[in-house]
Amino acid sequence: EVQLLESGGGLVQPGGSLRLSCAASGFTFSSYSMTWVRQAPGKGLEWVSTISGSGGDTYYADSVKGRFAISRDNSRNTFDLQMNSLRAEDTAVYYCAKGGITVDGFQDWGQGTLVTVYS
Amino acid sequence: QSALTQPASVSGSPGQSITISCTGTSSDVGGYNFVSWYQQHPGKAPKLMIYEVSNRPSGVSNRFSGSKSGNTASLTISGLQAEDEADYYCSSYRSRGTLVFGGGTTVTVL
Repeated sequence: EVQLLESGGGLVQPGGSLRLSCAASGFTFSSYSMTWVRQAPGKGLEWVSTISGSGGDTYYADSVKGRFAISRDNSRNTFDLQMNSLRAEDTAVYYCAKGGITVDGFQDWGQGTLVTVYS
Repeated sequence: QSALTQPASVSGSPGQSITISCTGTSSDVGGYNFVSWYQQHPGKAPKLMIYEVSNRPSGVSNRFSGSKSGNTASLTISGLQAEDEADYYCSSYRSRGTLVFGGGTTVTVL
C-alpha cells in the first residue's frame, strides 16, 4: 500500500523559511516523479513543484520560482520542499503526491500539512 | 499562470448523468493528452478519478468517464449517487514544463 506522510508545516512570519518533507513507502520511490500541490483555505488546488525520479529535473510554478526548491533523497525515500521568502499568499495546505506532470496523473496523495504565513 | 475554466457548480438528481467541462487552450488541454480529474471531499485529500483524458485508475467506478474535444475536456458521472457529492478538479500539462489546475466544480446531488 502506498503511503505518503508530510511533515514540517507550521507558523512562520513573512520573509521566513520553512522546509516540508514527505516520507514515501509502498512503492519503488526512485522510479517515480514526485510533486507538491497546495490548497489555500477555501480555494482550489494549485500545482507547486515536481521533481523527476532521479532528481535531475525539477519544475516550478511561476508563483514560487526562485523562492522554493524541491529535492529528494532516494536512499531515504523522502523528498522535500524548501520554502524561502514566504508570503501571506503561500498560506495553504501542502500535499505531496506520487506522480509527475504528464503521464498517469497524481495517483496517490498524502493527507497534507498546513503552512500559515502570518504577520 | 491562469487556471483552466470549470463551472463553479453542477447539480443532478440521483441516477442522472452530469458532465463537468474543463476549458483551456492549445497550450494545455488542446495540445496534450495529459488531462486528469480529481475528486475531493471536504477536509480530505484529492483522489485521482481519470488520467490521460479517459483512463480510470483501478478501483474507480466505471460511472466516471473522461473525454476531450479540442480545448475542452469533460468528466461525466453517470448514475449519480449521494457519495459523488464533492469538489472536482481538472488538471492539464501546459507547455514549458508546467501543470495547471481548473478552478474546481462543486457537484451537488439533489
